[in-house]
Amino acid sequence: EPEVTQTPSHQVTQMGQEVILRCVPISNHLYFYWYRQILGQKVEFLVSFYNNEISEKSEIFDDQFSVERPDGSNFTLKIRSTKLEDSAMYFCASSDWNEQYFGPGTRLTVT
Amino acid sequence: GNSVTQMEGPVTLSEEAFLTINCTYTATGYPSLFWYVQYPGEGLQLLLKATKADDKGSNKGFEATYRKETTSFHLEKGSVQVSDSAVYFCALTGNAGGTSYGKLTFGQGTILTVHP
Repeated sequence: EPEVTQTPSHQVTQMGQEVILRCVPISNHLYFYWYRQILGQKVEFLVSFYNNEISEKSEIFDDQFSVERPDGSNFTLKIRSTKLEDSAMYFCASSDWNEQYFGPGTRLTVT
Repeated sequence: GNSVTQMEGPVTLSEEAFLTINCTYTATGYPSLFWYVQYPGEGLQLLLKATKADDKGSNKGFEATYRKETTSFHLEKGSVQVSDSAVYFCALTGNAGGTSYGKLTFGQGTILTVHP
């Protein structure tokens, strides 16, 4: 069964560093998403991506964040200068018309 | 904006007990409603969905009915198993008609632990 994969599973970085979280969506899906979950809190929408551009973004998704689909298979989330409060689990998802399929997540720890 | 409220957890039950996890929502228009489950170390998986009022979603013995009059989508299972231990998330999209290509708005999640 096709699945969404994410790498790395855990990333530790120092405050102010750039991080890139990687996702490989399901190959025939057209919509892509990033969500995050701060420990003990809700899963929050960050951004959706369709047809090579951002279709919607939340207020969390400020200028420090960017997304890219560099090669038609990967979908990346970049945080330019990490803050302590960026520590969270980041989930990638992709969808067809019916269901969003989620990856297992990347746990980002900013120290 | 849209929001989802789930009952506070954690919920601890014995095997074969009846499960209810409450979920209420606030949304404009006619959202589609979902329950996702997250097993330890895994991503979120769609458990069931309902796309219009009075629809009942069901899967693996779990059920939830879309109640527009009470803006609720409570999850139920008649007899839980140890393997049902997981985190359960209620969610909605603002897209009517069963499509799921809009952003999901999640509740805070409910941890369920089932003991033998």
